[in-house]
Amino acid sequence: GENVEQHPSTLSVQEGDSAVIKCTYSDSASNYFPWYKQELGKRPQLIIDIRSNVGEKKDQRIAVTLNKTAKHFSLHITETQPEDSAVYFCAPSLSGYSTLTFGKGTMLLVSP
Amino acid sequence: NAGVTQTPKFQVLKTGQSMTLQCAQDMNHEYMSWYRQDPGMGLRLIHYSVGAGITDQGEVPNGYNVSRSTTEDFPLRLLSAAPSQTSVYFCASSYLGLERTEAFFGQGTRLTVV
Repeated sequence: GENVEQHPSTLSVQEGDSAVIKCTYSDSASNYFPWYKQELGKRPQLIIDIRSNVGEKKDQRIAVTLNKTAKHFSLHITETQPEDSAVYFCAPSLSGYSTLTFGKGTMLLVSP
Repeated sequence: NAGVTQTPKFQVLKTGQSMTLQCAQDMNHEYMSWYRQDPGMGLRLIHYSVGAGITDQGEVPNGYNVSRSTTEDFPLRLLSAAPSQTSVYFCASSYLGLERTEAFFGQGTRLTVV
């Protein structure tokens, strides 16, 4: 099965700084790379995803980049705001198939 | 659209008691799953189902049973609760598309076993 590692496990930044979270995976067949955000006491929700035929995808202040050769992808958040404070999970997978293996999560704390 | 409905939201059990966590989705998704979330451990897969009548074990299945009699419902049963099962449980459903496999989560159940 997929072995997923996320780094760092915690990340503290000042409001306005950028934040980068990295996800490393083991299964070279994986072709779908999502990031989920879980606010305190809430359910995880998909915030951005990318497929293996695309190297980068942006959505306003968030972006995901993929290095398929090195088997890692990263979440980039620019101009961080306090409402970005949450736990972020990656879940690389082979799309169309069932099991999603989540990373252990990265707690991002944005201080005003 | 209700999405994924999970009940109860909170539950306290005594060691040895049994209970069922309910999960229902109205999106006609084939894939449903149960995860437990513990501090520092992320979301660990307990059981999953790829359709009615089909279930399989995930990473941490011991002490839990599931069944999938309909597309909509996927209950999780704790057979004899233990303190190690104190956790937050999430049910999720997904459409297994070739372009995207997005998981939609229920609101979660915070279970305490004393």
